Amino acid sequence: NAGVTQTPKFRVLKTGQSMTLLCAQDMNHEYMYWYRQDPGMGLRLIHYSVGEGTTAKGEVPDGYNVSRLKKQNFLLGLESAAPSQTSVYFCASSYSKARGSYEQYFGPGTRLTVT
Amino acid sequence: AQSVAQPEDQVNVAEGNPLTVKCTYSVSGNPYLFWYVQYPNRGLQFLLKYITGDNLVKGSYGFEAEFNKSQTSFHLKKPSALVSDSALYFCAVRDVNNAGNMLTFGGGTRLMVKP
Repeated sequence: NAGVTQTPKFRVLKTGQSMTLLCAQDMNHEYMYWYRQDPGMGLRLIHYSVGEGTTAKGEVPDGYNVSRLKKQNFLLGLESAAPSQTSVYFCASSYSKARGSYEQYFGPGTRLTVT
Repeated sequence: AQSVAQPEDQVNVAEGNPLTVKCTYSVSGNPYLFWYVQYPNRGLQFLLKYITGDNLVKGSYGFEAEFNKSQTSFHLKKPSALVSDSALYFCAVRDVNNAGNMLTFGGGTRLMVKP
């Protein structure tokens, strides 16, 4: 099993450009998450999904959109990139609450720089 | 709202000595607590969790953590540190009523183990 994979690994954008980050998981997890990691701030939740076709806002959703058209994929979009969105982005997935397993499994991250 | 505090930005320990990385939490109801480790340029790896039961939880790579309800703490410990344990460690909490398995992370503690 590949676990959680993310593409691309690195990306440099200019202010105002758009891009989509792709997350894929092969563990049949119901829940998926997008975080950003900034120095000294830990991980902050951007958006999450509890199932195919459903998404919800996390702690820092502004400037981002997400879609979950397939259970195994979770896309994070930046419509108009800003320098404040320079960060490392992590995708994670977990089983549902009903399964009684609560830990999340993380992808390797995408390092995004917006100039 | 739930929160996690990791009071030490960095912990230094000599190889072979015991190590402790501190974590305190605030959550309504019973907490679900987690420790993750992050090696350079990698995603977070799950180490251990406390859901219920014995207050001393054992996890991967010889790590353990002690849940203390009265002190609202969940400190990570290892009896004998290795140089390879040097990494960034994150504590996280989940409210038992959290519908989406969402975790709140602390700011992280960098562990440096010197030979």
